[in-house]
Amino acid sequence: GENVEQHPSTLSVQEGDSAVIKCTYSDSASNYFPWYKQELGKRPQLIIDIRSNVGEKKDQRIAVTLNKTAKHFSLHITETQPEDSAVYFCAASSGGGADGLTFGKGTHLIIQP
Amino acid sequence: DTAVSQTPKYLVTQMGNDKSIKCEQNLGHDTMYWYKQDSKKFLKIMFSYNNKELIINETVPNRFSPKSPDKAHLNLHINSLELGDSAVYFCASSQVPGRTLRFGPGTRLTVT
Repeated sequence: GENVEQHPSTLSVQEGDSAVIKCTYSDSASNYFPWYKQELGKRPQLIIDIRSNVGEKKDQRIAVTLNKTAKHFSLHITETQPEDSAVYFCAASSGGGADGLTFGKGTHLIIQP
Repeated sequence: DTAVSQTPKYLVTQMGNDKSIKCEQNLGHDTMYWYKQDSKKFLKIMFSYNNKELIINETVPNRFSPKSPDKAHLNLHINSLELGDSAVYFCASSQVPGRTLRFGPGTRLTVT
């Protein structure tokens, strides 16, 4: 089955700086890569996703890049704000069949004032 | 107009008991899931149901059994609870298997 590795496990950045979280996947059939944000005590919520037919996608301060050859994808957050503090999960799926999403182990992002 | 709901939100029980968690979605999605989030925040899929048919069963003890009376509901029944079952259990649904998940609010299960 799919295996998703996520790094770093904890990331601390100064407010206003950029944050980058990286993930690798093992199944070359995976074609859907979402990112979820989970605030303390709340449910994970989708913030951005990318499919394997594109290399980059942006939505305001967040962007995701995908390198299919290397089987890795990254989340970029620019101009970080205190409300960006949360745990971020990457995930991968081949979709179309019976599988759910396979998640990375999460990155705790801390925005320092 | 809650999309995915779960009850109860908190569940405290003793070892050996049997308990159930209920989940309902009003999104018209065909696939529903149960995920377990342990103390280290790792999200692991337990089950998924598509059109009332179980299509994934990961390495989950058979003390856990999903029950789906219809495609809008996927309940989780747990027999003979153990300390290691303590976790947050999230129900989720998706329109297409393996695509965007909508999570419920979670049920924090504590086994004493």
